[in-house]
Amino acid sequence: DQQVKQNSPSLSVQEGRISILNCDYTNSMFDYFLWYKKYPAEGPTFLISISSIKDKNEDGRFTVFLNKSAKHLSLHIVPSQPGDSAVYFCAASGGSYDKVIFGPGTSLSVIP
Amino acid sequence: SAVISQKPSRDICQRGTSLTIQCQVDSQVTMMFWYRQQPGQSLTLIATANQGSEATYESGFVIDKFPISRPNLTFSTLTVSNMSPEDSSIYLCSVTGLETQYFGPGTRLLVL
Repeated sequence: DQQVKQNSPSLSVQEGRISILNCDYTNSMFDYFLWYKKYPAEGPTFLISISSIKDKNEDGRFTVFLNKSAKHLSLHIVPSQPGDSAVYFCAASGGSYDKVIFGPGTSLSVIP
Repeated sequence: SAVISQKPSRDICQRGTSLTIQCQVDSQVTMMFWYRQQPGQSLTLIATANQGSEATYESGFVIDKFPISRPNLTFSTLTVSNMSPEDSSIYLCSVTGLETQYFGPGTRLLVL
C-alpha cells in the first residue's frame, strides 16, 4: 500500500513559468513532509519541508503548500529554470528523527 | 546539516558474491538509515541502524541478505549478500536532522 503518492510521473514546463508538483498521502499520522530533488548520478538533495501544523512554507523560489484535510501537498517553483530539471520526490515522516517514506517521484523538465 | 560519504561510489559484481558498502558521517548521529533505489523506482527503506543494537528491517528485507553493522555513532556498513542481478540498485545511506533527512551520494551497484 503506497502511503505517499505522486500521480504525475513527468511534467514539462517552459523556463520562467511556474512548476507545480503534487503529492497525496494516506497516513494521517505523518507529522512533516519533505521535498527532494535528485539527479541521476547523485543522492537526493533536500529542498524544503513543512510541518503538519503549517499550511505554507517558502524558501526562495520554492514554496510548499499543505492541505491536511485533503491529505495533499504541492511544491511550487517560480520561476522555473533549466537547472531545475530533475526527479522530485515527495516524502513524509511520523516525526523528527523518524524514518521517511518516499513517493514514486515526478520527473520535471524545464524547457529553455 | 550533515555531510555523508559512501564507499565505494560504484561497483560491478558477479552474481553469488557479496559487497560491503561503507557510510561515514561527519557528526555523531543516533539513527542511520539504508535505502535502495532500483532502476526507475523510488527510494525504499531497507533498515534503520541504531548504534549498540541490532538493525530494524523493513518488510521484505532480512538480515541474512542485508547484514548491517553500526560500530559507532559516525559509521555504518551495509552488506549485500549472495548477490543476483535483481540487487542492481543505488544504495543510499541517510541520517536525520530536525525535520529533514540527509543522504549520502549513493553506491551504484551492478550485478552481472
